[in-house]
Amino acid sequence: KAGVTQTPRYLIKTRGQQVTLSCSPISGHRSVSWYQQTPGQGLQFLFEYFSETQRNKGNFPGRFSGRQFSNSRSEMNVSTLELGDSALYLCASRLAVSTDTQYFGPGTRLTVL
Amino acid sequence: SQQGEEDPQALSIQEGENATMNCSYKTSINNLQWYRQNSGRGLVHLILIRSNEREKHSGRLRVTLDTSKKSSSLLITASRAADTASYFCATGLNNAGNMLTFGGGTRLMVKP
Repeated sequence: KAGVTQTPRYLIKTRGQQVTLSCSPISGHRSVSWYQQTPGQGLQFLFEYFSETQRNKGNFPGRFSGRQFSNSRSEMNVSTLELGDSALYLCASRLAVSTDTQYFGPGTRLTVL
Repeated sequence: SQQGEEDPQALSIQEGENATMNCSYKTSINNLQWYRQNSGRGLVHLILIRSNEREKHSGRLRVTLDTSKKSSSLLITASRAADTASYFCATGLNNAGNMLTFGGGTRLMVKP
């Protein structure tokens, strides 16, 4: 099976812009989670989607949002970008909400100038 | 905020030696997982240990869990240069929708 894929892999934006990142989970996986990784804060949970519904949300401002489609693909959006949003954004999928192991994609490296 | 803290933050060893990394966490957990990350790339799942387990093995990896001390250790035996990476522990918390809370990671360098 193909692994988790994320697009784009690299992105450069300027402050104030918005960005949309995409994640395709492993085939058959219905749960998608998003994480932000920065040198200062480490890996932090953003949100999780299952069956097109947000099940859990981390401690991030409302500028960070996401959604999941009927084919389990997920997108996350960050509006009004700030310099501090520069990070590696990782997507992880798992078979179901009752499954513990999460499989991560390669990430999208976002740089905000 | 991070649930777990890895110790040491950085570790440098020679090929063939064993590497031990420790992880401590703060609250009760459902499971604890170890991941590897190469140079800012995606995370690779290594092993999962549940709160009712004390030890698990996978190839050259050995993980222990002590829930009374809220700590876990990852042992990599007979290390190889290809093991050079950052290693993270992540806890799955009870009643938290299975979100993972990561520690700060241990940077392991294995010198050939």
